Amino acid sequence: DVKVTQSSRYLVKRTGEKVFLECVQDMDHENMFWYRQDPGLGLRLIYFSYDVKMKEKGDIPEGYSVSREKKERFSLILESASTNQTSMYLCASTQPGGYEQYFGPGTRLTVT
Amino acid sequence: KNEVEQSPQNLTAQEGEFITINCSYSVGISALHWLQQHPGGGIVSLFMLSSGKKKHGRLIATINIQEKHSSLHITASHPRDSAVYICAGARGAGTALIFGKGTTLSVSS
Repeated sequence: DVKVTQSSRYLVKRTGEKVFLECVQDMDHENMFWYRQDPGLGLRLIYFSYDVKMKEKGDIPEGYSVSREKKERFSLILESASTNQTSMYLCASTQPGGYEQYFGPGTRLTVT
Repeated sequence: KNEVEQSPQNLTAQEGEFITINCSYSVGISALHWLQQHPGGGIVSLFMLSSGKKKHGRLIATINIQEKHSSLHITASHPRDSAVYICAGARGAGTALIFGKGTTLSVSS
């Protein structure tokens, strides 16, 4: 059974803090994704990675960076959190030849 | 124009009603997903379609490739079906999904 886990379900941070969101998958998937979900906007792609140490910008990368040091772990970093980064963050993974994406439970981040 | 558009945005129904949610998508999308998200919950994949029709219990998903249109049907709806249903397209295997804005379904008893 594929499992994608995220380090926190709820997180509250202050403006200007550096924030790390961790995602781990246990199915040896090469491809991993970070999305954010906002009311009225749906889910949007922030960054993705197709291999260790590889990263590509998605549609809304500004204010974010990522790290993929190990195949199973994909971290999203908010270098200096701002209130407009208050959102639900979802991680997902898939195989390169596969269509089905497996989602983590999400982290609801509030920046005050 | 968004690459994936779904309608309606909100849907209310009485228990037992037949429900349809529609999704249209643009050229270049080769597979279509239907996802479900309960309040406060994670996202669960219901169906992935590249052609034809799929059925799981009371849920049916269809896709018309020529018209670039997909529908999700729920027969004999139940309050536990209340959730956000999201249509998402993939340009290729292993790629990121492109999401519709979701349909919030509320089924009352």
